[in-house]
Amino acid sequence: AQKVTQAQTEISVVEKEDVTLDCVYETRDTTYYLFWYKQPPSGELVFLIRRNSFDEQNEISGRYSWNFQKSTSSFNFTITASQVVDSAVYFCALRGFKTIFGAGTRLFVKA
Amino acid sequence: EAQVTQNPRYLITVTGKKLTVTCSQNMNHEYMSWYRQDPGLGLRQIYYSMNVEVTDKGDVPEGYKVSRKEKRNFPLILESPSPNQTSLYFCASSFLGDGGNQPQHFGDGTRLSIL
Repeated sequence: AQKVTQAQTEISVVEKEDVTLDCVYETRDTTYYLFWYKQPPSGELVFLIRRNSFDEQNEISGRYSWNFQKSTSSFNFTITASQVVDSAVYFCALRGFKTIFGAGTRLFVKA
Repeated sequence: EAQVTQNPRYLITVTGKKLTVTCSQNMNHEYMSWYRQDPGLGLRQIYYSMNVEVTDKGDVPEGYKVSRKEKRNFPLILESPSPNQTSLYFCASSFLGDGGNQPQHFGDGTRLSIL
């Protein structure tokens, strides 16, 4: 069975701290795709990044970076120098034709 | 503007009264899907469709029906709603891509309360 685990339910940091959101997945598929989405307090879901199973390159986009490690079935997300606007719920998802989301991590960034 | 449109945005209704939540996309996407979001559970997939007249169950299909008669529309039907279907519902769409590798575009959500 496929599964996505985001063990951190809530994280609270002070502005400018770095924070890492963990995502561990389970799948028997050899080809699969991992995604991160952000849900700000306004409620919409915003796509952040996609990674496929055969590309283990880490990626950096501004203050955001992602670390994909197939050996540990993890796809972690780091925000460097967090800002109040980063406060949101972040979801990790595993996708084939079905999509499995993790339970989400709520991030509070305090000024 | 590229978008996924859900209606209604909010609905309060009573047990057993059939309801339909509509979803429409204007991006010519083949793939459409419905999710429900509940506290502590994240989003769970109800049904998805890979093209017109092709639908399949997600992880929580019980109590729901869908249809895909046109590419742009994917309504969610609750024939006999019950209180445990009170939730926040999202419709999403994407290009089919290669085995699901395309990011999904989400509607703004429908908050459904069933008394």
